[in-house]
Amino acid sequence: GAGVSQSPRYKVTKRGQDVALRCDPISGHVSLYWYRQALGQGPEFLTYFNYEAQQDKSGLPNDRFSAERPEGSISTLTIQRTEQRDSAMYRCASSLMSGSTGELFFGEGSRLTVL
Amino acid sequence: QKEVEQDPGPLSVPEGAIVSLNCTYSNSAFQYFMWYRQYSRKGPELLMYTYSSGNKEDGRFTAQVDKSSKYISLFIRDSQPSDSATYLCASHQGGSNYKLTFGKGTLLTVNP
Repeated sequence: GAGVSQSPRYKVTKRGQDVALRCDPISGHVSLYWYRQALGQGPEFLTYFNYEAQQDKSGLPNDRFSAERPEGSISTLTIQRTEQRDSAMYRCASSLMSGSTGELFFGEGSRLTVL
Repeated sequence: QKEVEQDPGPLSVPEGAIVSLNCTYSNSAFQYFMWYRQYSRKGPELLMYTYSSGNKEDGRFTAQVDKSSKYISLFIRDSQPSDSATYLCASHQGGSNYKLTFGKGTLLTVNP
């Protein structure tokens, strides 16, 4: 596709359920980032991959959050045993290569609501 | 204290006005400074980036960085209603891991 694609766009789940959010980056982009954006806030870093290798996961809030990118393309962010405080917009971004100027191409996000 | 601080506004100006948006940062290791624009219900998109201190101009937009005071600015000349959006400043250290740290964003409305 032409841009970063995320699915689902909207997810409503009950507390305690697991959710998986998917990101399909721009074809050929080496680096993939996950951010979380609360309403009225800037995006907050969660984790980042170069190819299939997770380079930095320092932003993941706790061990209920995990991410993978097994073939260096599509990535999945998984939240286990969801809590209400996990409700937010989850944004994926990709870039052509690491070490460049920092232009990230963001997707339209997956809005998660935990009831 | 957050590493990048930004006044969230909102800011409302008439069409044609000069707009000044500002951020401060605390991490001396930051080398790259960006402004992203985010329209309602959309993802952020890069507007401008600057390396280290200095000015950069692109059409009606000018980005300024003063590393001595840790101050980041974006100026918009002859503002247009289509400039109405949230403007996010962001910084990173460079190198192989450019984990962006964003400000809170400033909501700008340009009234026709």
